[in-house]
Amino acid sequence: EAQVTQNPRYLITVTGKKLTVTCSQNMNHEYMSWYRQDPGLGLRQIYYSMNVEVTDKGDVPEGYKVSRKEKRNFPLILESPSPNQTSLYFCASSPRSALGSYGYTFGSGTRLTVV
Amino acid sequence: AQTVTQSQPEMSVQEAETVTLSCTYDTSESDYYLFWYKQPPSRQMILVIRQEAYKQQNATENRFSVNFQKAAKSFSLKISDSQLGDAAMYFCAYVLLFGGNEKLTFGTGTRLTIIP
Repeated sequence: EAQVTQNPRYLITVTGKKLTVTCSQNMNHEYMSWYRQDPGLGLRQIYYSMNVEVTDKGDVPEGYKVSRKEKRNFPLILESPSPNQTSLYFCASSPRSALGSYGYTFGSGTRLTVV
Repeated sequence: AQTVTQSQPEMSVQEAETVTLSCTYDTSESDYYLFWYKQPPSRQMILVIRQEAYKQQNATENRFSVNFQKAAKSFSLKISDSQLGDAAMYFCAYVLLFGGNEKLTFGTGTRLTIIP
C-alpha cells in the first residue's frame, strides 16, 4: 500500500530533551515536506526537500532541523523542544513529475506535547 | 505571498441537506491548483476535490462539487445530501505550480457538524 508513515503517533516530552519524528514514504517521491497544524492557523510548512540532500526552510522553520540522506526518509528533529512547539505535525510527499498538482500524500500525524 | 481565507470557522447542516463552505485566496499568478481537504477526528488529511486554475469547468466528485470563480478568487465547496460521515474539519488549500517550493498553502479550516 502506498503510504507515508510517521512515528510516533503521540509523544509527550519535556522542555529541552532532543527528539526525532520519523517520516518514511514508499512511493519513490522526490518531494517531501513537514507541516505543523495549530488551531486557528491551519497547516504551516516547516521544511521541505526537493530531493536527496536538498532541503530548505518553509514558513516556520525556527527550532527545527531536517535531513534527507535517503529518498524515502525525511526525519524532523527538535534539538531543544519548547512548549510553543506543542502541535500536530504532518509529513507529506509528492512526485516531482506531478509536483503539487494532485495535492500531497499525508502521513497520519504526530501529536507532540512539550511540557 | 499567497494567502487562503476561510471565513467560516464553524458550520452545521441537517443530515441530507446541502451546505456550502467558503474559501477565497489571494494570488497574482495564473497557473495553480486548488484543493479541499477533509480532516475527520482520525486526523488523517483526505483529499476531497481538486481544481486546475486553467479549467473553467467546476470539479465534481460524487456529492462534492466546487464553485470556482477565478476572477473573484473564490473556491467554495458544496456538499450535497450531507451524511454523518461528512462531519470533519475542512481545509481549502492552494499550490502554485513551478514556483520552486510548490508548497500547499492552507486556510484556517471550517469545522462542519452534521445534525442528525
